[in-house]
Amino acid sequence: KNQVEQSPQSLIILEGKNCTLQCNYTVSPFSNLRWYKQDTGRGPVSLTIMTFSENTKSNGRYTATLDADTKQSSLHITASQLSDSASYICVVSTGGYNKLIFGAGTRLAVHP
Amino acid sequence: DSGVTQTPKHLITATGQRVTLRCSPRSGDLSVYWYQQSLDQGLQFLIQYYNGEERAKGNILERFSAQQFPDLHSELNLSSLELGDSALYFCASSPGTPMNTEAFFGQGTRLTVV
Repeated sequence: KNQVEQSPQSLIILEGKNCTLQCNYTVSPFSNLRWYKQDTGRGPVSLTIMTFSENTKSNGRYTATLDADTKQSSLHITASQLSDSASYICVVSTGGYNKLIFGAGTRLAVHP
Repeated sequence: DSGVTQTPKHLITATGQRVTLRCSPRSGDLSVYWYQQSLDQGLQFLIQYYNGEERAKGNILERFSAQQFPDLHSELNLSSLELGDSALYFCASSPGTPMNTEAFFGQGTRLTVV
């Protein structure tokens, strides 16, 4: 069964600190892995997309890593800001028509 | 602005009723996806269309149906509504091919069944 699992479920950090979110997947066939940011009540917004051959990809203060052998990914947020408070969703794409398998998300709260 | 337009933004209706949610994909995108997000839950995949044809189906109830029209907009029909159908319904679109392309999400339709 295709599954994407994320940890932790929720996280509270202080402004300016770094954090790392985890994603494990059992999806086959694998096309790519994406990280999305979703503000409460809003649509998800893409942060990064990585294919099988990519180990790391950055988008500003967000850096995603992918280990296709162990089927793990992480999203590292550097120097967190209050606006980083959101849910971060790991999504794996499978199949020829871009079927997306969503994780449940990690809810991040950044406190001043 | 993602370029994906969903209407209406909010919908309040009674149990047993039927509603239609509409999605206009980004210009040129052939794939449309529908997702349901209940309160404090993750996104649940409902259905995907590619250029008018159904391509993938998720946990979509029999009371729900969807279609993609020749102009590529899509509609999600929800019938015999129950209180548990209250949720955010998101539409996303992508070019469809090649595979490693972005999917862009609309702002969602918030459905409240009372």
